[in-house]
Amino acid sequence: AQSVAQPEDQVNVAEGNPLTVKCTYSVSGNPYLFWYVQYPNRGLQFLLKYITGDNLVKGSYGFEAEFNKSQTSFHLKKPSALVSDSALYFCAVIAGNTGKLIFGQGTTLQVKP
Amino acid sequence: NAGVTQTPKFQVLKTGQSMTLQCAQDMNHNSMYWYRQDPGMGLRLIYYSASEGTTDKGEVPNGYNVSRLNKREFSLRLESAAPSQTSVYFCASSEGGARAKNIQYFGAGTRLSVL
Repeated sequence: AQSVAQPEDQVNVAEGNPLTVKCTYSVSGNPYLFWYVQYPNRGLQFLLKYITGDNLVKGSYGFEAEFNKSQTSFHLKKPSALVSDSALYFCAVIAGNTGKLIFGQGTTLQVKP
Repeated sequence: NAGVTQTPKFQVLKTGQSMTLQCAQDMNHNSMYWYRQDPGMGLRLIYYSASEGTTDKGEVPNGYNVSRLNKREFSLRLESAAPSQTSVYFCASSEGGARAKNIQYFGAGTRLSVL
């Protein structure tokens, strides 16, 4: 079965410091991986995706993610966090050929001034 | 740009009441989805429609029905609401087809409480 795990319920960082939000996956075949962000009382917004090619994927708002096949991970990163980055972040993988997304449980990112 | 529009934004029901959550997209997308979001559980797929005229069960379909009214609209119906259906419901749409295109675009959500 395909699955996604986000091992941290919450990540706290100081503004200006680098941030990492962790994600590991379990899929059969090649993984199609996504990161979404949810601001309070809003729907999810697409940040970035990995389909194939370069292991470092760049996305919206200065975020990037590193695909590591051997560790089955797809961690979200940003070199310098902003207070406005505080939100709920979801990692997701496409299941099979249906286009259905399987989401991790989410990680709350708290960036403090 | 409207994107994905959900109505209503909030709803309170009594146990046993029925209601329909509406969703419409204006991006000419083929695929549409209904999710529920519960604390600590991420988003779970209730039903999806890969294309107009088709619907399929997701991970948690029990207690729900859907209708893909046309290419734009995909509604979710609770026939007899239960407190376990208290949740935030999200509709999403995507181009469909090849997997690489499946960036999903989400509505703002419907917050449902069942008393």
